Amino acid sequence: DIQMTQSPSTLSASVGDRVTITCRTSQTISNWLAWYQQKPGKAPNLLIYQASSLESGVPSRFSGSGSGTEFTLTISSLQPDDFATYYCQQYNTYLYTFGQGTKLEIK
Amino acid sequence: QVQLQQSGPGLVKPSQTLSLTCVISGDSVSNNSAAWHWIRQSPSRGLEWLGRTYYRSKWYTDYALSVKSRITIDPDTSKNQFSLQLNSVTPEDTGLYYCARLRYSSGEVFDHWGQGTLVTVSS
Repeated sequence: DIQMTQSPSTLSASVGDRVTITCRTSQTISNWLAWYQQKPGKAPNLLIYQASSLESGVPSRFSGSGSGTEFTLTISSLQPDDFATYYCQQYNTYLYTFGQGTKLEIK
Repeated sequence: QVQLQQSGPGLVKPSQTLSLTCVISGDSVSNNSAAWHWIRQSPSRGLEWLGRTYYRSKWYTDYALSVKSRITIDPDTSKNQFSLQLNSVTPEDTGLYYCARLRYSSGEVFDHWGQGTLVTVSS
């Protein structure tokens, strides 16, 4: 299986901050990567697919980049609704794997 | 609007079988452009993909290696749903189980999820 490593595990930030989360894969996956947001008691919600394509309805302050083995999710100006846990997921193979998550907390 | 509604028991005894069902509305389990998955989440294992079923002129299933000997995912076209059976469960199988749709247009991603079912394996 392709291993996914996210960093940091926890991130403390303030409303209005620009934040970046990194996801590294154990082997190259081209741009077959998605990002999800999960809030307590809810299922994950798709934000980004194909590393940098914004899902319909997702605010433009979210952006993704990267290819190969290193990827980033950036939130340009944090809003109160953005404090949640974020996961990356690879789909280079059908043995889909997820990162361990990055919890974004209010500073 | 696609919706996935899960049902099944929240408590299963060790060595018994975990059974969950996911009813689909707004789409078809036979959709040639989608696949139907089970994913679980626990503090120790994070988000873990378990398996999928999909239709491409015939039915296919694939399973995660970690559960391959114990898992069955079955579609039911008459009820537009799919199910998960996990045999010989242990406390390690405790977690929040989700069904999800994976689309193949605009990325191979999980764009709709069920509400989740918390399953506890305990005597």
